[in-house]
Amino acid sequence: DAGITQSPRHKVTETGTPVTLRCHQTENHRYMYWYRQDPGHGLRLIHYSYGVKDTDKGEVSDGYSVSRSKTEDFLLTLESATSSQTSVYFCAISEPLRQGHYEQYFGPGTRLTVT
Amino acid sequence: SQQGEEDPQALSIQEGENATMNCSYKTSINNLQWYRQNSGRGLVHLILIRSNEREKHSGRLRVTLDTSKKSSSLLITASRAADTASYFCATDEGSNAGNMLTFGGGTRLMVKP
Repeated sequence: DAGITQSPRHKVTETGTPVTLRCHQTENHRYMYWYRQDPGHGLRLIHYSYGVKDTDKGEVSDGYSVSRSKTEDFLLTLESATSSQTSVYFCAISEPLRQGHYEQYFGPGTRLTVT
Repeated sequence: SQQGEEDPQALSIQEGENATMNCSYKTSINNLQWYRQNSGRGLVHLILIRSNEREKHSGRLRVTLDTSKKSSSLLITASRAADTASYFCATDEGSNAGNMLTFGGGTRLMVKP
């Protein structure tokens, strides 16, 4: 599992409240990613990080912010949660293979429900 | 938007049969990868095929890649009930600084004992 943990694993929150999800890795990987998974949409990239304090937007970044102050932690924040952000959130790291190819390892996911 | 589109969206077969899933994509790629997801779990990497490869094997898995048609297929031979899962293709376009992958919507495979 590449030493990836996510917390919390389940959360129910009310519309308008802030929510922070945490991804923690223990193997010093440079690249980290946040995805959301919804029925009919597969996995969509929210934000990614290529180093401490280096982050960039993915396909569905509106309403989300991220921070990476330490190599091991990548935080995803919903500043004001909306019902459309009810989803399963996955964190991933990128593991280098040979010759410039990479594969991703995923955390166990966080199921977020916004009521 | 999704780079990869899997076909079929759902597949139900009997144990022992072969399962074939297809993936189509839109742009040029550095490699294409297949992942598996068991219900309620994260995705697990299965196999990677580079753009200059046409076929790759790993155990009961066989992946083909046709870059002229921008398509790939995943064949699982002699399926088992434990193969029941969702399968996703993901493309690495090779031109981004973040080593990002673009995932398709997945094929849900059910293998009946």
